[in-house]
Amino acid sequence: EDQVTQSPEALRLQEGESSSLNCSYTVSGLRGLFWYRQDPGKGPEFLFTLYSAGEEKEKERLKATLTKKESFLHITAPKPEDSATYLCAVQAPPGNQFYFGTGTSLTVIP
Amino acid sequence: EAGVVQSPRYKIIEKKQPVAFWCNPISGHNTLYWYLQNLGQGPELLIRYENEEAVDDSQLPKDRFSAERLKGVDSTLKIQPAELGDSAVYLCASSLQGHGYEQYFGPGTRLTVT
Repeated sequence: EDQVTQSPEALRLQEGESSSLNCSYTVSGLRGLFWYRQDPGKGPEFLFTLYSAGEEKEKERLKATLTKKESFLHITAPKPEDSATYLCAVQAPPGNQFYFGTGTSLTVIP
Repeated sequence: EAGVVQSPRYKIIEKKQPVAFWCNPISGHNTLYWYLQNLGQGPELLIRYENEEAVDDSQLPKDRFSAERLKGVDSTLKIQPAELGDSAVYLCASSLQGHGYEQYFGPGTRLTVT
């Protein structure tokens, strides 16, 4: 059973066209939900950690939100440099394991 | 502050040959992870260390994969013998010990087995 599901798999946006990426999870006892950005040929780069429902975090054009079953990564007025794969991961018991989703590949067209 | 360092960045070997990857985590990070990432997929945990102890190696194929972190700092992941299906990116990450701490990843080693 998948612990973390991300949608859509791929997203193409025009520059300036805002949208949201979804990360739904089924684990119990969430210890943290993490968003990462991954560029081709590089390791994932940490963006945000969310710990409890209702929490929000912002960084430049990105805003992450969390509910009891899912998280959204909102991208406002994206630019071509925002093109990357965005990964979501959850940490849960037992053993504080991390479960990663398969990512959303975002392409922002000038 | 230096990030997670991995070497080599790329490795091409023939099947049945051995290969080793090295990782140096961020200073002060007691927890170290080795992941495997296939194209279009998220990272999959191979092994997690807390200091010198492997606390989660349930997904490590122990017939051919081995890992060590002798002094609780840098770590080596080895495959012997390599198979065609082992071609992937091997990522190392580190974090502070405990739950709720984010992981920081190295650039990865892209392994190609021919």
